[in-house]
Formats: sequence, C-alpha cells, structure tokens
Amino acid sequence: DIAMAQSPDSLAVSLGERATINCKSRQSVLDSSNNKNYLAWYQQKPGQPPNLLIYWASTRESGVPDRFSGSGSGTDFTLTISSLQAEDVAVYYCQQYYRTPLTFGGGTKVEIK
Amino acid sequence: EVRLVQSGVEVREPGESLKISCKALGYNFTSYWIAWVRQMPGKGLDCMGIIYPDDSDTTYSPSFQGQVTISVDKSVTTAYLQWSRLKASDNAIYYCARLHSGSVYSTMDVWGQGTTVTVSS
Repeated sequence: DIAMAQSPDSLAVSLGERATINCKSRQSVLDSSNNKNYLAWYQQKPGQPPNLLIYWASTRESGVPDRFSGSGSGTDFTLTISSLQAEDVAVYYCQQYYRTPLTFGGGTKVEIK
Repeated sequence: EVRLVQSGVEVREPGESLKISCKALGYNFTSYWIAWVRQMPGKGLDCMGIIYPDDSDTTYSPSFQGQVTISVDKSVTTAYLQWSRLKASDNAIYYCARLHSGSVYSTMDVWGQGTTVTVSS
C-alpha cells in the first residue's frame, strides 16, 4: 500500500488568511511516462460526503473556487486556501490513485480562528 | 444528472448479515469503476475495494479482503456491499463513489450520500 500522511491534523486560520495543508506519500505517485502526479484533494463538510477539489495534484475540478490551489510533485504535496472563507470549514483529505489499493491521508480539519 | 443513491440507515446486532446498495443514475453504469469507502465515527476515509460493473472485476483492499463482499447487478445499475457476520467494529458510514474514468487509477468524482450502519446488541 502507498501510505499517505497529512499535516497538521488541524489548523485554525482567520477569515481572509491563508491555510496550508501538507500531504506526503510513502512512495512517489509521479508517473514519468506522462509526467502526471496521481494525487487528489477532497473536501468534506460536516454531515456530507467528500467532494473532489483537485486532481493531478494541481488541476481544479469544475466549479471549485480559484482560492483553492494544489502543488507539489513526487512525494510531497500542498493544498493552499489563499483566503479562507467561512464556507471552507471542513476536513480536507489527500488521496493517491497511482496504485491500488487507493489510499487517503488521515485528514486535516480546518477551522476559523 | 449523474447521481449515486444509497440505501438507508441500518441497525443490526453482532453476528447478523447485511447488504447495502448504491444505485447509479444518469450515466453508463458499466463503464465506470465503483468504490466503497468506510468512514468510522470521527475518523478518516478508507477505500474498501473497487468493482468494474461490466465484468464484476473486483479488487479488495488488504484490510477488507475476506471481511466484506462487493457485487453489482447490471440490470438495475446497482452496486452492493455485504457482510455475512457483522461486528461492532463495522459501525461506520459507508459511501459508494464513482471513479472518474474507465481506469481504476482515477479520482472519485461522484459520491453517494452515505449509509450509516450501526451494529449493537
């Protein structure tokens, strides 16, 4: 299995400030044949199923606000919320889809300070 | 509209069997993998396994191999997750999710609303 580790477990950010979440995979999820990182980010609000935000490490899903951005390659990735809004309070998960079994990070809870 | 509609809340006793469902609407069911994902109370997401509806090709995550059975019925565009003997540790919300492309190496782009399973004596 490709284990995924996220940090921090939680963070509190003031409205309008930047939130940064890190994700590290035990092995590279970069496919050198197509130069794509098989890494996605999901947002899960309380009482709701997860919602896909970003795929290929940095491509926003349709309809996702541009304050959300993803970066990184190989084993180290970052999700950034450039200006936190109240509606962004949620748990965020990274997931690798490079190998089965598909695996998720443990999640990062984002709250308002 | 592309949707996955899951069956409702279930309450069972330890040792009982259970089968929950996930009905696909609005797309070609046989062309996309379906994943089952467990979320234990207050915890993160665990992919239990995936199935390709066209030929029922199934891959289980090692932690769930032998513990559950994943199946489909193409005639009613529905995927299933079943247990033969539930345990208290099976308390969780179970989500089905569609994999985005015809490849197993893909994101989960459509999710069901979740089925809450409570196992208690």
